[in-house]
Amino acid sequence: AQKITQTQPGMFVQEKEAVTLDCTYDTSDQSYGLFWYKQPSSGEMIFLIYQGSYDEQNATEGRYSLNFQKARKSANLVISASQLGDSAMYFCAMREGPSWGKLQFGAGTQVVVTP
Amino acid sequence: DTAVSQTPKYLVTQMGNDKSIKCEQNLGHDTMYWYKQDSKKFLKIMFSYNNKELIINETVPNRFSPKSPDKAHLNLHINSLELGDSAVYFCASSRGYGELFFGEGSRLTVL
Repeated sequence: AQKITQTQPGMFVQEKEAVTLDCTYDTSDQSYGLFWYKQPSSGEMIFLIYQGSYDEQNATEGRYSLNFQKARKSANLVISASQLGDSAMYFCAMREGPSWGKLQFGAGTQVVVTP
Repeated sequence: DTAVSQTPKYLVTQMGNDKSIKCEQNLGHDTMYWYKQDSKKFLKIMFSYNNKELIINETVPNRFSPKSPDKAHLNLHINSLELGDSAVYFCASSRGYGELFFGEGSRLTVL
């Protein structure tokens, strides 16, 4: 069964607007971590933001914030004030269990920022 | 200084050949991983090593053999390459519950 679901294969957003990327996850663990990565067309994987399952506050990193709704098992990424350089593939990922456990990735959402 | 470095970045080879990809990290992390990204961009874990011990082996064909000579290195050897092995292979490392740091990827094309 898919552990991480990203339902938006692609989306367009205008420069300076905010965009929300959806992510839902499936786990029966109490302790888990949620991650977002960005992969531009150049191919590298760039870590954006992390949310622990016990964190009470939503994580924020600059223009990125994570809307964590534990009961709904969702961890949506919000990018504020989009820039052309935000055009990329965005992956949601989850780690369950031990600290050395694998990150399982969703299928990704392709974001294109238009002028 | 590159944190996680993989070599080579590109490999083009014929079916049936054997190839290796090397990975080194200078972050002092205990855990290293190999991921495969297919043509649809889906990222799938292949192997994970923690302190040089294999801890995750995700039903990868035994033509793929990882080797970790020390905590800073994790190599991937692939025997008898098949067309379906064409992909981008990412090495990554992490410490504790932290994020994974990825290498730049190695694009393998099997002809």
